[in-house]
Amino acid sequence: DTAVSQTPKYLVTQMGNDKSIKCEQNLGHDTMYWYKQDSKKFLKIMFSYNNKELIINETVPNRFSPKSPDKAHLNLHINSLELGDSAVYFCASSQAGPPGDTQYFGPGTRLTVL
Amino acid sequence: RKEVEQDPGPFNVPEGATVAFNCTYSNSASQSFFWYRQDCRKEPKLLMSVYSSGNEDGRFTAQLNRASQYISLLIRDSKLSDSATYLCVVNSYSGGGADGLTFGKGTHLIIQP
Repeated sequence: DTAVSQTPKYLVTQMGNDKSIKCEQNLGHDTMYWYKQDSKKFLKIMFSYNNKELIINETVPNRFSPKSPDKAHLNLHINSLELGDSAVYFCASSQAGPPGDTQYFGPGTRLTVL
Repeated sequence: RKEVEQDPGPFNVPEGATVAFNCTYSNSASQSFFWYRQDCRKEPKLLMSVYSSGNEDGRFTAQLNRASQYISLLIRDSKLSDSATYLCVVNSYSGGGADGLTFGKGTHLIIQP
């Protein structure tokens, strides 16, 4: 069984569109995350979220919004897509958050904005 | 200054050789340290945590030097399957930032037969 799953795996869309990426974890973890890996392969945290708190990286545009219907899901919604949003987006989860908990990553969603 | 710095490589190493990677981190308050491995077009996966006393897992040995803010990974008797990008990772309590992990850009390793 897949521990952290994401859909879709590939997403190609036009500039200006709104899109969502879904993430689900079946590990019973308390904290979930979204990361962005750009064309230079640099992986950077965007959000971390548990039942109590959403923490947003200050560099993330407000066009990006995480939505969590329940503890096992953290979806990423992106408004008014721009060319620079093209990247691979990884969802991850951990039991109780940092400092020492292992994070498990989903397979990634490759977003291409045309 | 970048938070976690690594030599991007690529390191081209013959099978069976020993190879070492290093990284430095800028946040002296960092508390947890890891090496992750990422294969091409795949997600990062934890290779091993890094402890102050140093730790070993089979052919892999990790070392941490808090005074120098330096982390290392040693791979002995390298295998073809070790070819991947190795990511140096620290926790990122950066005051107002997201409580996730801070990744280096990775070191690309190619094991040659």
